[in-house]
Amino acid sequence: EAQVTQNPRYLITVTGKKLTVTCSQNMNHEYMSWYRQDPGLGLRQIYYSMNVEVTDKGDVPEGYKVSRKEKRNFPLILESPSPNQTSLYFCASSPIRGAHTGELFFGEGSRLTVL
Amino acid sequence: RKEVEQDPGPFNVPEGATVAFNCTYSNSASQSFFWYRQDCRKEPKLLMSVYSSGNEDGRFTAQLNRASQYISLLIRDSKLSDSATYLCVVNNRRAGSYQLTFGKGTKLSVIP
Repeated sequence: EAQVTQNPRYLITVTGKKLTVTCSQNMNHEYMSWYRQDPGLGLRQIYYSMNVEVTDKGDVPEGYKVSRKEKRNFPLILESPSPNQTSLYFCASSPIRGAHTGELFFGEGSRLTVL
Repeated sequence: RKEVEQDPGPFNVPEGATVAFNCTYSNSASQSFFWYRQDCRKEPKLLMSVYSSGNEDGRFTAQLNRASQYISLLIRDSKLSDSATYLCVVNNRRAGSYQLTFGKGTKLSVIP
């Protein structure tokens, strides 16, 4: 089954404790992206990647890191989480032609709470 | 002016009603446009692309007006299952990249 898988789906952590949210897709998509969704603010892009070893900042990259060492994986790293990073996070992927057509395939989301 | 603006709603409509959502975008160079649907606590999913000539998919009709930088979505004969948040999405291509910008969404509740 074609899918984007995120883990963990739910996480409660404390300020400053490094964490990684994994994202994996099995569709051989070149494009991958991370979004956060907050009430009243909608979906905002954190980082994206056009292909292996190619990453770029989105609209709200502060406090986050990403890597793209393999085509299928695009982990999101919070080196020192803070309460303002409490949010619902979505990973998404698309073939490059798909990115041109706008069809993003989203994971089910990861709800992160930072105390 | 925000990049992509939508009326947040909520729109509360009875079953069978026709409802229209509007969206405006600020970047005149935007290249492609879409409507996504997001159910409560779920991930967004592509509903339909929006073409300049207008396009229809069953009960759903999307329109684009490039001169006014305006996109619309019309839902006819609303069903209870149409209750969701509808996201307007604009693709602002940057050199060598793509930038999909999401509106904040319009919430629709279809009432029995």
